[in-house]
Formats: sequence, structure tokens, C-alpha cells
Amino acid sequence: ETGVTQSPTHLIKTRGQQVTLRCSSQSGHNTVSWYQQALGQGPQFIFQYYREEENGRGNFPPRFSGLQFPNYSSELNVNALELDDSALYLCASSLGLPTSPLHFGNGTRLTVT
Amino acid sequence: AQKVTQAQTEISVVEKEDVTLDCVYETRDTTYYLFWYKQPPSGELVFLIRRNSFDEQNEISGRYSWNFQKSTSSFNFTITASQVVDSAVYFCALLLDSNYQLIWGAGTKLIIKP
Repeated sequence: ETGVTQSPTHLIKTRGQQVTLRCSSQSGHNTVSWYQQALGQGPQFIFQYYREEENGRGNFPPRFSGLQFPNYSSELNVNALELDDSALYLCASSLGLPTSPLHFGNGTRLTVT
Repeated sequence: AQKVTQAQTEISVVEKEDVTLDCVYETRDTTYYLFWYKQPPSGELVFLIRRNSFDEQNEISGRYSWNFQKSTSSFNFTITASQVVDSAVYFCALLLDSNYQLIWGAGTKLIIKP
């Protein structure tokens, strides 16, 4: 059973740039969600995709967008990066039931300078 | 308003001691779910347990046990005979039946000294 994998592991960008983070979900999982985790804080829900459709979104601006592909892998895109976007971005996959446990990847550490 | 509070920012104990991590939640929903996740230094969050609001039975899994009390809106986590490998940040989270979005506590950093 392949777990959740994220790429890249680390990324440094400049304010104003755009970034794309990638996630491969655990095999058999059709739901992917993305979280932002600032240092010393709990994860904050960005959005969730189920069968290629966004079906839930947290309190993040539209410059945070995503995609889910037919193989259930996913991308998180962030435009016009701001310094406050520096964080660990976590991808989680699950079996689709809202109450299913989440299986997380190791995350992408994004630093915006 | 929905909220999860983990008042203990950091706990440090010596190996083999028992330790309890506190979690207090707020919600007006009658149906909800509570979770505990572990985040070791590698960064990957690992699911530990899920509880629904209608099941107040305490649970034990090896050295881990959970005490769910609706009367005090608490879902505390106890590690018995702690080990160095238990060192991690532990998060409590609340999932509401009304919007299915996980609300996370700020986490408790647990340090187990040898």
C-alpha cells in the first residue's frame, strides 16, 4: 500500500511569485484535502476535493486554488505569494466519508522571502 | 462558535512516567467527531483515534487510553509508561456533522526524556 507522497519537500519563493505543490494520494483513496500549518500551530483547512470536484473550502482567499486529477492526485496552487504564506503545506487523503481518518503526507515546507 | 483548546503547550516527562494530554472542545452541534493525531519530527500527521459524540466509552489501545466526557466537553489522552518514541506534537481535532471541516487544536508538544 503506497502512502501519501508530496513534492517538493522544500521550496523557497519570492513574494509575488506563484507556486504549485503536488500530492499523490494513498491508493484506493478518492478524497484529497489540503492544510496549511504555520510554525507552532495546528493545521488550517484550505480545501477538499472529492472525485475531481471541490467540495469544501476553509477561510482562504481565491489565490489559493487546486485541482484533483482522475487518478486522485492533486495540486495546490498559490498565486501572488505573500510572506505569511510561509508554512508547512500538508496533503491528506481519505476514503471519501467525511468522518474517515485522514492519511497525511510529510508536507512541503514553503518559505516566501 | 466551534473551538478546540489544548492548554498544555509543552509537557516534558521522564521515560516510564504516565502523562495526560488535555483537550477541551466547544460546539453546539449534537453530532460531532473527535480525533487525536500525532505529529513526529518527520512532520507526517498520524491518525490515532476517532470518537463520535454518541459514544462516551473510554478506549484503551496498548499504552494509550482516551477519556471522553461530554459533561466537561473533554477528550483527554493518556500515555502510560511513556517511551522516548512517544515524543511528538499531539493534536486534538473536532469534526462537525454540519460542515465536515476539521477544527484543530494548537497541539501539545510532548518530550519524553530518557
